[in-house]
Amino acid sequence: QVQLQESGPGLVKPSQTLSLTCTVSGDSISSGGYYWSWIRQHPGKGLESIGYIYYTGRTYYNPSLKSRVTISVDTSKNQFSLKLSSVTAADTAVYYCSRDRIVDTAMESWGQGTLVTVSS
Amino acid sequence: QSVLTQPPSVSGAPGQRVTISCTGSSSNIGAGYDVHWYQQLPGTAPKLLIYGNINRPSGVPDRFSGSKSGTSASLAITGLQAEDEADYYCQSYDSTLSGSRVFGGGTKLTVL
Repeated sequence: QVQLQESGPGLVKPSQTLSLTCTVSGDSISSGGYYWSWIRQHPGKGLESIGYIYYTGRTYYNPSLKSRVTISVDTSKNQFSLKLSSVTAADTAVYYCSRDRIVDTAMESWGQGTLVTVSS
Repeated sequence: QSVLTQPPSVSGAPGQRVTISCTGSSSNIGAGYDVHWYQQLPGTAPKLLIYGNINRPSGVPDRFSGSKSGTSASLAITGLQAEDEADYYCQSYDSTLSGSRVFGGGTKLTVL
């Protein structure tokens, strides 16, 4: 059974870059059967797709975040990562990683999520 | 403002049936893209509840069912139980947003 675990700093200063990593166990990212996503949830709010990556490195980013987002993959470590630059308080959220079915984009498995607070 | 529209809240008594709607447009649900539903229990990550409009992952009770028609989809829960109290989100794909996955704003289900 696949497991995903987010890791990274829980506190980031305004204008800096938020960096998170998702470590995958129980499946190989390079198997090619899935997309790998980042999603966030602002406190008390709904879900927002940030973007996703295929093991080849092909990416898609939410247009509203595209100028600040980079998602990358390290198949040797079975990890994928998120970088969000020039953060503000509006980027304070719980960040989730997920494994997504290619055929229909369903987010089949999720990490437990990690809260990132942007504050000086 | 979410691309997919859900009612903010629904409620029902134990044993009753409730439905949650998800309304989209011709660029997402109406274009034939699949709708998926997620259940988020308090303080936990979302969990896939329905995929491909009508399919349940292994382990999801058959009390949960999905449907889709035109530009809308629905999640039905029968035999309501206290543990069903959660937030529910629909999700699809939107062709006008360059491959974006889009979510509904979420619906809070209260079991009375």
